[in-house]
Amino acid sequence: AQSVTQLDSHVSVSEGTPVLLRCNYSSSYSPSLFWYVQHPNKGLQLLLKYTSAATLVKGINGFEAEFKKSETSFHLTKPSAHMSDAAEYFCVVTSLNRDDKIIFGKGTRLHILP
Amino acid sequence: EAGVTQFPSHSVIEKGQTVTLRCDPISGHDNLYWYRRVMGKEIKFLLHFVKESKQDESGMPNNRFLAERTGGTYSTLKVQPAELEDSGVYFCASSQPTVGQGGKTEAFFGQGTRLTVV
Repeated sequence: AQSVTQLDSHVSVSEGTPVLLRCNYSSSYSPSLFWYVQHPNKGLQLLLKYTSAATLVKGINGFEAEFKKSETSFHLTKPSAHMSDAAEYFCVVTSLNRDDKIIFGKGTRLHILP
Repeated sequence: EAGVTQFPSHSVIEKGQTVTLRCDPISGHDNLYWYRRVMGKEIKFLLHFVKESKQDESGMPNNRFLAERTGGTYSTLKVQPAELEDSGVYFCASSQPTVGQGGKTEAFFGQGTRLTVV
């Protein structure tokens, strides 16, 4: 069975400071992991994905995430937050078996303080 | 390559009316998923098609919701009659099957349909 846990429902950081959004997963198979972002009144946008190549994945807008199998984690980071990063972020895991399920985390709302 | 397309982008209807949402997946994608997000809460799975067959419809909230995917191409999600609690954003996604793809694939999401029931 697959599951994904986003450890924080809300994260607030000051503009220019680092961002860390935490995600832990559970998977019986070698997972594919993704981070999506949803800005207010917008659709879902893919930030980055891990599909068993390099464990450190770089995405758009300066975000990156590191797949750590030993910790079953896929935390999203950015060195310096920008006001435009304020949005909701979803960690997603897809399964390898024939079910092809897409499992969403509950989301983390990122607030950027001026 | 065209992405996943959803129609309409917004819909405002009165309680008791019927609304039909449409999703056009990426051509060749067998998997098609419907999700919804109600009032800023978590994104909930509704159902999953593989081609024209319903692989998993365990997330459909009740029998007011009917999803179809005739011919295994586009899909429709009908809500009849709509209730206030149906308001939210309905997302569609498509993907190729992981089997035969080395187990690695990604889902492509549409921009969603924002449904408001008044």
